[in-house]
Amino acid sequence: NAGVTQTPKFQVLKTGQSMTLQCAQDMNHNSMYWYRQDPGMGLRLIYYSASEGTTDKGEVPNGYNVSRLNKREFSLRLESAAPSQTSVYFCASSVDRVGDTEAFFGQGTRLTVV
Amino acid sequence: GENVEQHPSTLSVQEGDSAVIKCTYSDSASNYFPWYKQELGKGPQLIIDIRSNVGEKKDQRIAVTLNKTAKHFSLHITETQPEDSAVYFCAASKGSGYSTLTFGKGTMLLVSP
Repeated sequence: NAGVTQTPKFQVLKTGQSMTLQCAQDMNHNSMYWYRQDPGMGLRLIYYSASEGTTDKGEVPNGYNVSRLNKREFSLRLESAAPSQTSVYFCASSVDRVGDTEAFFGQGTRLTVV
Repeated sequence: GENVEQHPSTLSVQEGDSAVIKCTYSDSASNYFPWYKQELGKGPQLIIDIRSNVGEKKDQRIAVTLNKTAKHFSLHITETQPEDSAVYFCAASKGSGYSTLTFGKGTMLLVSP
């Protein structure tokens, strides 16, 4: 099983460019998440999705949009990239039911905005 | 919302020593507390978790303790090895049905041979 797969692994953007980060999970999980990781800041939640067709804002949603395309896929879009969005982005998924809330993470996408 | 504080930010130990990382949380409704290990260039991976109906949980060399009254929980690693070197994150959530994790800022553990 692949688990959680993110593409691309690395990306360099110019300020103002747009791009979509892709995430897919093959564990039949209900919930999916996008986090960003910055030095000394831990993991901060950008957006999450409890099920297909639903999305909610997390702690740092400004400048991002998401789409829960189906149960497997959850994409993150930067419409107009800014240097402040330089970060490592992690997608995660979880079953999210009582007694079973372990989150599984992808390998990350390292994004640099110049 | 939930706020999780984690200390220390860096921890250096000699191989064979014990390491302790501490976290506090603010939301008394939180009842699920996982610990994640992140190796360089990889995503975080769950190493142990504890729920609020349990005070301590062990898995070989690692253990987690929880004090609900004081709202703090700790990760204990005994007989540390160089391969334990990584960044460790604590987190908290309400853990019942649909919920999200709030993470601490992480602890970089370095185990020297």
